[in-house]
Amino acid sequence: GDSVTQMEGPVTLSEEACLTINCTYTATGYPSLFWYVQYPGEGLQLLLKATKADDKGSNKGFEATYRKETTSFHLEKGSVQVSDSAVYFCALSDQGDYKLSFGAGTTVTVRA
Amino acid sequence: GAGVSQSPSNKVTEKGKDVELRCDPISGHTALYWYRQSLGQGLEFLIYFQGNSAPDKSGLPSDRFSAERTGGSVSTLTIQRTQQEDSAVYLCASSSTGANLYFGPGTRLTVT
Repeated sequence: GDSVTQMEGPVTLSEEACLTINCTYTATGYPSLFWYVQYPGEGLQLLLKATKADDKGSNKGFEATYRKETTSFHLEKGSVQVSDSAVYFCALSDQGDYKLSFGAGTTVTVRA
Repeated sequence: GAGVSQSPSNKVTEKGKDVELRCDPISGHTALYWYRQSLGQGLEFLIYFQGNSAPDKSGLPSDRFSAERTGGSVSTLTIQRTQQEDSAVYLCASSSTGANLYFGPGTRLTVT
């Protein structure tokens, strides 16, 4: 079945450092790929998404490119801020936008 | 407008008791989803509603779990004869058909 594997955390960074969270997937069809973020004390919210190969999703300075050849959707940000401290989840959907399959989540802490 | 709300935010119950978890989706959202996040695990899909019907119940872990949705709005997830392995954060999400999922803050269930 469909599955998502993302890099284990926790990850601790200093402000203005570069962040990369690796995500790879296994799917039978052509899934849509997502990154969700959960800030402390808040609900999960969509950060960005890509629906087909070579698409790049971007939001709040974060980017991720749908790489079919490597079945990956790595999340990157060039200069993190303390406000980026959160748990990040990679996810896929093989049937429209429901029944998301999530990775285990990566906790990111950014120090001032 | 208001986001997805869930109640209670925390629930502690004794093993063997029944519990009900409530979800109020965003007004007008036709689709509603329940997910579960166990300690150290990613988010696990439980059930999906379209209107009041549940076309996909494949994620419910046992027949102790059931869910209903009334009036195309509020949903209740019921767990009968709770077990310690049911301890988790139960997340509800809603969406317009084919659109992004909006998650609630979750209900943390602890079975003692």
